[in-house]
Amino acid sequence: GDSVTQMEGPVTLSEEAFLTINCTYTATGYPSLFWYVQYPGEGLQLLLKATKADDKGSNKGFEATYRKETTSFHLEKGSVQVSDSAVYFCALSDQYTGNQFYFGTGTSLTVIP
Amino acid sequence: DGGITQSPKYLFRKEGQNVTLSCEQNLNHDAMYWYRQDPGQGLRLIYYSQIVNDFQKGDIAEGYSVSREKKESFPLTVTSAQKNPTAFYLCASSTIAGGNLAKNIQYFGAGTRLSVL
Repeated sequence: GDSVTQMEGPVTLSEEAFLTINCTYTATGYPSLFWYVQYPGEGLQLLLKATKADDKGSNKGFEATYRKETTSFHLEKGSVQVSDSAVYFCALSDQYTGNQFYFGTGTSLTVIP
Repeated sequence: DGGITQSPKYLFRKEGQNVTLSCEQNLNHDAMYWYRQDPGQGLRLIYYSQIVNDFQKGDIAEGYSVSREKKESFPLTVTSAQKNPTAFYLCASSTIAGGNLAKNIQYFGAGTRLSVL
């Protein structure tokens, strides 16, 4: 079945450091891929998405490229800020499985000044 | 503003009691979902509904019940049969994307934190 495997956390970085959070997926069809962000005590917010191979999603300095050959969708940011501290979830949705969403376990990021 | 409203933000349950979590959306979305989130874990699907008066069990439906009498509303009842209900509960909604992948996004409410007294 469909699934998402996400880099274990927690991750602690200094401000302005480079961020990578790894995400790989397994899917039966041609999924859409997503990164969601969750700030403490809140729901999930969509950060970025990609709907087909080689698409790059980007938002607020974050980027992720849909790599079909490696079944990956790694999240990157060139220079993190304290305000980026949150939990990041990789997710996929496959129309062949009834538009269900499958989420990774989340990666906690803490950015220190 | 369009969005998903969950209430209450905090809820306390006594042993043997059923409690109901509210989820309302004004996004005109067909599909609605309930997830449970435990500390350090991902989201686990409890129930989902793709149309009024119909819903399906997710991965952890035991001890929970739902109804979908209106398109806008998808309340979740945590019954006394759920022995470990302490968690953060998230409601989400989405369009039924069909072939339009650009529309296939889940939007989330702010969550309800349930604790046992």
